[in-house]
Amino acid sequence: GAVVSQHPSRVICKSGTSVKIECRSLDFQATTMFWYRQFPKKSLMLMATSNEGSKATYEQGVEKDKFLINHASLTLSTLTVTSAHPEDSSFYICSARAGLAASYNEQFFGPGTRLTVL
Amino acid sequence: LAKTTQPISMDSYEGQEVNITCSHNNIATNDYITWYQQFPSQGPRFIIQGYKTKVTNEVASLFIPADRKSSTLSLPRVSLSDTAVYYCLVGDKASFQKLVFGTGTRLLVSP
Repeated sequence: GAVVSQHPSRVICKSGTSVKIECRSLDFQATTMFWYRQFPKKSLMLMATSNEGSKATYEQGVEKDKFLINHASLTLSTLTVTSAHPEDSSFYICSARAGLAASYNEQFFGPGTRLTVL
Repeated sequence: LAKTTQPISMDSYEGQEVNITCSHNNIATNDYITWYQQFPSQGPRFIIQGYKTKVTNEVASLFIPADRKSSTLSLPRVSLSDTAVYYCLVGDKASFQKLVFGTGTRLLVSP
């Protein structure tokens, strides 16, 4: 089946630093990737949609200068949390869509990245 | 995506059948119903999808009545490892390009 990986799985950083999270589709080409964040015992919240080679589309309320997304290739998207603060601590999850498949369930999720900002 | 309503939490014991119902009164003609499972500190995993009547796979069954205003995810003989959050999503192909998750149902399976 389709596999999506994320790196790192866990990161701890100091306030004010920037953190980059990678999302890779390992065995398929992802035309679109999505980034979510999830607070403890809460649901996933969609942050942005990124298409390969174009600018990401951010959801309302998500600061694009704060959360930089780069979808440089069909297998890699990165999320950079710039000047991280403790309130950015969260579980970040990416998903990847394989393309214009006939089935609806073609979005595959990564294992998530736990970010802790001290 | 159509708005969905699920119970916030459910408790069960090992070996029991668990049925989680999702209400989607405003479901549209082209909408499908999809369920995801999420374990703690992991990304969601697709479980099952259906349009009407009944769908069964190796993991679960999905029952959808004729009016399609609700659906029931059925997990046969649950084990401790089925403890997770289960999300019901409803939408057509276009809306499924961008998944919007509701609150989900937190299932706790006890020995």
